[in-house]
Amino acid sequence: AQSVAQPEDQVNVAEGNPLTVKCTYSVSGNPYLFWYVQYPNRGLQFLLKYITGDNLVKGSYGFEAEFNKSQTSFHLKKPSALVSDSALYFCAVRGPPSGGSYIPTFGRGTSLIVHP
Amino acid sequence: SQTIHQWPATLVQPVGSPLSLECTVEGTSNPNLYWYRQAAGRGLQLLFYSVGIGQISSEVPQNLSASRPQDRQFILSSKKLLLSDSGFYLCAWSVPGYNQPQHFGDGTRLSIL
Repeated sequence: AQSVAQPEDQVNVAEGNPLTVKCTYSVSGNPYLFWYVQYPNRGLQFLLKYITGDNLVKGSYGFEAEFNKSQTSFHLKKPSALVSDSALYFCAVRGPPSGGSYIPTFGRGTSLIVHP
Repeated sequence: SQTIHQWPATLVQPVGSPLSLECTVEGTSNPNLYWYRQAAGRGLQLLFYSVGIGQISSEVPQNLSASRPQDRQFILSSKKLLLSDSGFYLCAWSVPGYNQPQHFGDGTRLSIL
C-alpha cells in the first residue's frame, strides 16, 4: 500500500527566509508526486508535480520541490518566504501504473506560518 | 480553460434532513471526478470517485451516495443526514491518467444542527 508522511504539523518561518515543508512517501515502484496548497475556506490548488526526469521540479508562486529517491522524499521549498505563503500544504502520491493505486494518497497537511 | 463549480458554499441542515451537493466541470470532457470530505481543516477523506457517466466507486461505507448523471456533473446526496456528516466537502476533477493532478472546487461547508 502506498503512503505519505508529512512529519511536521506546523512550520514557522520569518518573511524573507527560505522555507522547507517535508514529505516522505512509500510506494512500490516509481512514484508520481504532487504538492497542493490550501488557503482558508478554499479548495486545494495544484502547485507542482514530479513524474520523471530532473529531480528539481519548479512550480507555481516560486515554489520548487526536490525528489530524492534514496531518501523517498519530496520536500517543498522556496528561497524567500512571503507572508502570503501562509497556508496549509499537502503532499500526495499516486501510482505507478504497474501496481500502484490510481487514487492519490494525501498526507495530513502541514500548516505554514510566515511571520512578518 | 477548465473550471469547476461547487454549490452551495455553505449549508446548515437539521439532523435527518436530505442533502444534495452539486459539482460541475467546464472546459473538458470525460474527466475523472471525486468527492472528498475534510474534517477540522486537515486530512482529506475520499468518499467517491467516478471515471465515467454512471460509474461510481465508493471508498467509505456511510449514509452518503453519489451520482454522475452527465459527463461533467457529480452529485453528492444523503437521504438522512447525521451529526457526523458535518464537514467541508470538496469536489475535484482530473484528466484521466496517473500523472495528472487533481483540480479542486472551493468546497461546501456543511453544518448539521
